[in-house]
Amino acid sequence: EDQVTQSPEALRLQEGESSSLNCSYTVSGLRGLFWYRQDPGKGPEFLFTLYSAGEEKEKERLKATLTKKESFLHITAPKPEDSATYLCAVHGSSNTGKLIFGQGTTLQVKP
Amino acid sequence: EPEVTQTPSHQVTQMGQEVILRCVPISNHLYFYWYRQILGQKVEFLVSFYNNEISEKSEIFDDQFSVERPDGSNFTLKIRSTKLEDSAMYFCASSEQGSVTEAFFGQGTRLTVV
Repeated sequence: EDQVTQSPEALRLQEGESSSLNCSYTVSGLRGLFWYRQDPGKGPEFLFTLYSAGEEKEKERLKATLTKKESFLHITAPKPEDSATYLCAVHGSSNTGKLIFGQGTTLQVKP
Repeated sequence: EPEVTQTPSHQVTQMGQEVILRCVPISNHLYFYWYRQILGQKVEFLVSFYNNEISEKSEIFDDQFSVERPDGSNFTLKIRSTKLEDSAMYFCASSEQGSVTEAFFGQGTRLTVV
């Protein structure tokens, strides 16, 4: 069964304190792994797509990496405005574009 | 920047009533989706829609649910007889090429069933 597990569930950092979020996945034939940011009461906002092991993508203070079993979202020198829930998702084994989401990591960055 | 828009942002309805949630996907996208998120829980897939038909639906998407693309721009989710447990955020999403490209989400409709 296709599955996505994220850890930790919650993370509190001081401003400037770098860390990583983990996303483990089980899917037959990965077609894409996606990172989204979700602010309270809002829809997921697309951040990155990763397609193959070894691939890396960067955007400002965020860098996403991918291995055959997991993905990491590295946050370098975070700021309070990076506080949000970060969601990881994979395309399911079916070919319909269905996304399977993890439960998310809620990040709080204190000034 | 193109975006997915959803209306209304919040809907309160009585149990047993029908509701229609509306979405305008990004104009050149061909694949459309509905997801829901119960408070404090994961984002869950409901249905995918391509070429004017449902391509996949989840176990949640039972006979009470239906989707329609009534014209060239709108995509709707109808719940025929709402239950208390239908209370959730409902997100519409669209993508250019289905299982190859990323999906972009709307801001959601918060449905409260009383």
